[in-house]
Amino acid sequence: AQTVTQSQPEMSVQEAETVTLSCTYDTSESDYYLFWYKQPPSRQMILVIRQEAYKQQNATENRFSVNFQKAAKSFSLKISDSQLGDAAMYFCAYRSAGGNEKLTFGTGTRLTIIP
Amino acid sequence: NAGVTQTPKFRILKIGQSMTLQCTQDMNHNYMYWYRQDPGMGLKLIYYSVGAGITDKGEVPNGYNVSRSTTEDFPLRLELAAPSQTSVYFCASSLTPGELFFGEGSRLTVL
Repeated sequence: AQTVTQSQPEMSVQEAETVTLSCTYDTSESDYYLFWYKQPPSRQMILVIRQEAYKQQNATENRFSVNFQKAAKSFSLKISDSQLGDAAMYFCAYRSAGGNEKLTFGTGTRLTIIP
Repeated sequence: NAGVTQTPKFRILKIGQSMTLQCTQDMNHNYMYWYRQDPGMGLKLIYYSVGAGITDKGEVPNGYNVSRSTTEDFPLRLELAAPSQTSVYFCASSLTPGELFFGEGSRLTVL
């Protein structure tokens, strides 16, 4: 079974600075998807960014980018120019490329933005 | 745009009581899911459905039941509530691989 590990329960960053959240995963599959989800204090979770394992290019969405290292099974999220609205729990998630679309989530990282 | 709607948002149950958490989505998504979120534990999949009439167990199905009679609705039934079922429950739906749309969550306390 796949596992997803987020080793940083909490992180903080000064507003306008850059922060990197770590995620590692364990799988024997070669084709899969990786995701970062954000859960603000209002609790509704939203997708931040997605990466297909077969793509070598790292995904980017505005201030959010990933560093995908397939051989190391690492998938970190970089947030540039941090804003107060970035404060949230961030979850890394894994999904197999084939089958039933089940996501496996990490335990999350709580990000605090310091004004 | 309603998206995924869950009710109720909060509920307190006594041990042994039963209840149903309702979930409705208006995006015509085939896939629907129920997760529970416990502090420090991330999200655990309870049940999921790949379409109307089809459901399957996730990681932690014991104590729960689901049905999927329509594309829109995916209720989660708790029978004989236990303190271990105290949690925040999230319903989600998806169309494309992995891009889940979540409801706002339902906080359940079993005393």
